[in-house]
Amino acid sequence: GIQVEQSPPDLILQEGANSTLRCNFSDSVNNLQWFHQNPWGQLINLFYIPSGTKQNGRLSATTVATERYSLLYISSSQTTDSGVYFCAAPLREETSGSRLTFGEGTQLTVNP
Amino acid sequence: DTGVSQDPRHKITKRGQNVTFRCDPISEHNRLYWYRQTLGQGPEFLTYFQNEAQLEKSRLLSDRFSAERPKGSFSTLEIQRTEQGDSAMYLCASSPKTGYGNEQFFGPGTRLTVL
Repeated sequence: GIQVEQSPPDLILQEGANSTLRCNFSDSVNNLQWFHQNPWGQLINLFYIPSGTKQNGRLSATTVATERYSLLYISSSQTTDSGVYFCAAPLREETSGSRLTFGEGTQLTVNP
Repeated sequence: DTGVSQDPRHKITKRGQNVTFRCDPISEHNRLYWYRQTLGQGPEFLTYFQNEAQLEKSRLLSDRFSAERPKGSFSTLEIQRTEQGDSAMYLCASSPKTGYGNEQFFGPGTRLTVL
């Protein structure tokens, strides 16, 4: 199956700093999702991004499918950005129903 | 609220007991997934339904686990004879069926603690 690797595993920032999180995947995918897991465990959808660049407020994401990676940019970070960020990619198999394979996440801590 | 809902949010049980969790997907979504997440790890796929048909099960899903989705609406996940290793967050997600790679939306999860 597909392998998904995220880096860095941990990131500590001061409020106001910018950051870039990376997601590498081992096979071609037709989609990729970024999530933020809040302290209560809920996965919040950030981006659904098969290719190209999308922006949502202070967050943006870029997926370069031909080179098998995606980047999540966080600008002017706030303490509420703290948490675990996951990327996930679906299997390209008919029987899989596009089940997602997740990376191990990046634990982001933003200090005031 | 039109998102994915799960019940209960927390469950504490003793080893050997049976537990059942419920998931209500987004109403127009015909695909439903169960994932399990242990501390410090990303979620791992357990099983998936398209309408009422269970089309795939992970090797993680031992014979103590069973899932159903009667009438293609809500789903239940039952764990029989729970073990301490079953302690985890159980996440449900749904998506529409339009081919590969559809966006999945997750519920708040059920956190299971087996004593």
